[in-house]
Amino acid sequence: DTEVTQTPKHLVMGMTNKKSLKCEQHMGHRAMYWYKQKAKKPPELMFVYSYEKLSINESVPSRFSPECPNSSLLNLHLHALQPEDSALYLCASSQGPVTGELFFGEGSRLTVL
Amino acid sequence: GQQLNQSPQSMFIQEGEDVSMNCTSSSIFNTWLWYKQDPGEGPVLLIALYKAGELTSNGRLTAQFGITRKDSFLNISASIPSDVGIYFCAGLHFGNEKLTFGTGTRLTIIP
Repeated sequence: DTEVTQTPKHLVMGMTNKKSLKCEQHMGHRAMYWYKQKAKKPPELMFVYSYEKLSINESVPSRFSPECPNSSLLNLHLHALQPEDSALYLCASSQGPVTGELFFGEGSRLTVL
Repeated sequence: GQQLNQSPQSMFIQEGEDVSMNCTSSSIFNTWLWYKQDPGEGPVLLIALYKAGELTSNGRLTAQFGITRKDSFLNISASIPSDVGIYFCAGLHFGNEKLTFGTGTRLTIIP
């Protein structure tokens, strides 16, 4: 199994809603990542979990809250988002934390109304 | 923050043509990688390079790690329709967890 699975594929939410994005991998990878990607731009790093501990937070606003329940799962909790947060949210994993060889999921397309 | 500049920004080619694109940085990287992203999907790793001067192939794709460690090149030979997409270079400093992505090169094949 060489896949990173993200759910949901599409999400529409209002600015007062609370929702979560989920990511799962069964490759035994020990690092997991959240990226945000706007149209026609490269992915921007948000968070890195290394061995289930948060190792990088790229000064992301607190309305985004990551969680890593175990080595296979990564969640991104969303609350009180703004329309400018609408983007493709990509989850990725890698064997270890200092390799650039990332496996990306297909992404969750988020629209904030 | 640091940025990797890719050129060209976009390419319009005919099927069967060869493609060349490059990526330049103001600082040195220890690892260079090339990813491809199809519409509506996440990026997929094509090639990883670990040593200055290294030349690595993956089928019709060939990538090089520049001697100065500040640049990398990707060539695609005999392009086919499924080569359409956005190609991102990415660089990694030794011991660092954060990839720096390039600005992307969008490849379109004209019928």
